[in-house]
Amino acid sequence: DAGVTQSPTHLIKTRGQQVTLRCSPKSGHDTVSWYQQALGQGPQFIFQYYEEEERQRGNFPDRFSGHQFPNYSSELNVNALLLGDSALYLCASSRYSGVNTEAFFGQGTRLTVV
Amino acid sequence: DAKTTQPNSMESNEEEPVHLPCNHSTISGTDYIHWYRQLPSQGPEYVIHGLTSNVNNRMASLAIAEDRKSSTLILHRATLRDAAVYYCIPLPTGANSKLTFGKGITLSVRP
Repeated sequence: DAGVTQSPTHLIKTRGQQVTLRCSPKSGHDTVSWYQQALGQGPQFIFQYYEEEERQRGNFPDRFSGHQFPNYSSELNVNALLLGDSALYLCASSRYSGVNTEAFFGQGTRLTVV
Repeated sequence: DAKTTQPNSMESNEEEPVHLPCNHSTISGTDYIHWYRQLPSQGPEYVIHGLTSNVNNRMASLAIAEDRKSSTLILHRATLRDAAVYYCIPLPTGANSKLTFGKGITLSVRP
């Protein structure tokens, strides 16, 4: 089992550009959540996808959008990049169920905006 | 979301037990207490969770205070690989509640 895989691992973009990050969930998982982690801080929840729809959203602007595909993989898009968007972006997958189950995280994509 | 308070950092010696505290005085009666840890240059990983009773698994033990306003993650024999940031997260009951991370405790392990 490959676990949660994210691509790319590192990325450098220029302010104002757009970026797409990708995530493949752990086998058997149907829910994908995205988190942003600034240096020295804990991860902050961006949004969650289940059944190809955004189910929950954190306090992030509309520049952050996402998508989930029928195979449960997901993309995170960020438009009009700001220097402050530089961070580690983490994807977590889980199985949608009636009680909380553990989330499995990928190793993240390190985004640097210059 | 319930607020959590944890010390910024702790140190331990290898092969000694470690007790990592967390205060969550505003926790709801139905919130589970989850612990995750994040090793250097990796994503967070699940450690353990519980509701009222103490819990054990292969990684750690979780001791929950009777009033549920605090909990302690116990690593029975710390190894160098346990050096990480540890987060306690009260999690509402329900499908796929989002994880709300604080700053966590940075655990250093001395050889």
